[in-house]
Amino acid sequence: GAVVSQHPSWVICKSGTSVKIECRSLDFQATTMFWYRQFPKQSLMLMATSNEGSKATYEQGVEKDKFLINHASLTLSTLTVTSAHPEDSSFYICSARGTSGEQYFGPGTRLTVT
Amino acid sequence: AQSVTQLDSQVPVFEEAPVELRCNYSSSVSVYLFWYVQYPNQGLQLLLKYLSGSTLVESINGFEAEFNKSQTSFHLRKPSVHISDTAEYFCAVSAGDYKLSFGAGTTVTVRA
Repeated sequence: GAVVSQHPSWVICKSGTSVKIECRSLDFQATTMFWYRQFPKQSLMLMATSNEGSKATYEQGVEKDKFLINHASLTLSTLTVTSAHPEDSSFYICSARGTSGEQYFGPGTRLTVT
Repeated sequence: AQSVTQLDSQVPVFEEAPVELRCNYSSSVSVYLFWYVQYPNQGLQLLLKYLSGSTLVESINGFEAEFNKSQTSFHLRKPSVHISDTAEYFCAVSAGDYKLSFGAGTTVTVRA
């Protein structure tokens, strides 16, 4: 089946620094990738839709200048959390949409900001 | 906009017993419905989906879900669970734009 990887799986950073998370579709090309955020014991919340070669579309309430998304190729999308603060600590999950329309999910990245 | 409510946050069940996970949704338009499973330390995997046609959909590992439009529900069931079914289960809905709205999840713990 289709595989999506995320790197890193776990990261700790200091408040005020920036962190980049990578999402890769390993065996298929994905024109669309999605970024989600998940708080403990809560649902996945869609943050943004990332389309290859164009600007990401952000959901209402998500700061596009804080969560920078780049989808430079058909197999890679990156999410950069800029000037991170403790409230940005969360589990970030990406998914990649295959040609059938189905979304394949990465294993997630746990971000802790100290 | 769509929303999903999973009525049970945790469901403990004994091995070989049946299980039902409840999911209700709200939407002003026609929707597609999904169940995803997340095993510990792994990404979400599609368990089954309803797009159109028969309202009863089945997965390869014995789960089934039935779309009930009048009750706006998509409950997941399995007649006999295994230890390996211990996982987090998410119900999700899409209006066809590929954006998924997820429920809060149900943790299923299967005990011997």
